[in-house]
Amino acid sequence: DTEVTQTPKHLVMGMTNKKSLKCEQHMGHRAMYWYKQKAKKPPELMFVYSYEKLSINESVPSRFSPECPNSSLLNLHLHALQPEDSALYLCASSPWTGAVETQYFGPGTRLLVL
Amino acid sequence: SQQGEEDPQALSIQEGENATMNCSYKTSINNLQWYRQNSGRGLVHLILIRSNEREKHSGRLRVTLDTSKKSSSLLITASRAADTASYFCATAGANSKLTFGKGITLSVRP
Repeated sequence: DTEVTQTPKHLVMGMTNKKSLKCEQHMGHRAMYWYKQKAKKPPELMFVYSYEKLSINESVPSRFSPECPNSSLLNLHLHALQPEDSALYLCASSPWTGAVETQYFGPGTRLLVL
Repeated sequence: SQQGEEDPQALSIQEGENATMNCSYKTSINNLQWYRQNSGRGLVHLILIRSNEREKHSGRLRVTLDTSKKSSSLLITASRAADTASYFCATAGANSKLTFGKGITLSVRP
C-alpha cells in the first residue's frame, strides 16, 4: 500500500469552530509532514514528525495543533482559524534516514474558513 | 523560504514535443527532487537525484544535476496532454526539510 489518505477532502468552518484533519499511511514510514498550500504557490512546510515526535515546527500559529497518535496517523487540530488560513492542507510521509527522502503526499484537504 | 527557482514559470508545448524545465538553488543539498501536481490535488513524486549523481532516467523523464552551478533540469520527452500539470523542484539539505521552488506550469496542447 503506497497511499497516503486524508480526510475530509473538503472542509468549511467558521472562525469559532474546532475541527480536525486526519492523515493515515501504512507504508511503515516514520516521518510525517503537514504542508499548507495557497493557490498557485508551492507547499509550505508546517510540521515534521519523526518517530511520533515533533521535530520541526515552522513557527506555525498555535491555532494549528498537530498530533501523532501512532506511527500511521497524523492529525491537525484547528481552532479559531482566520479566513487567511483557507488553503489546501497536504499531508506527506517518508522513510526516515536522517536525511529527506522521497515524500508521498495525500490528496489534501481543501479548507475554507468563513 | 524558497530554495529552488524554476525556469520558465510557464511552458506551453504541442503534444509529442519535449519539455525542458530548469531549477536553480542556492545552498548545498543532499538531493534534489521533482514533483508533479495536477490542479488542486496532491503532489506526485517523479524522480530523486542525489548530490553525487549527474543524471538519472525514469521512463520519459531525464533529470540532470550540476552541483557546481547549483542547477538541475527536468526533460519530459514525447509529451502527452496528460503531462499538463504544475512541476516543482524541491531541495533536501542538512536541515531535514524539503524546500520547494515556485513551480512551473506546463500545458501540453493536443
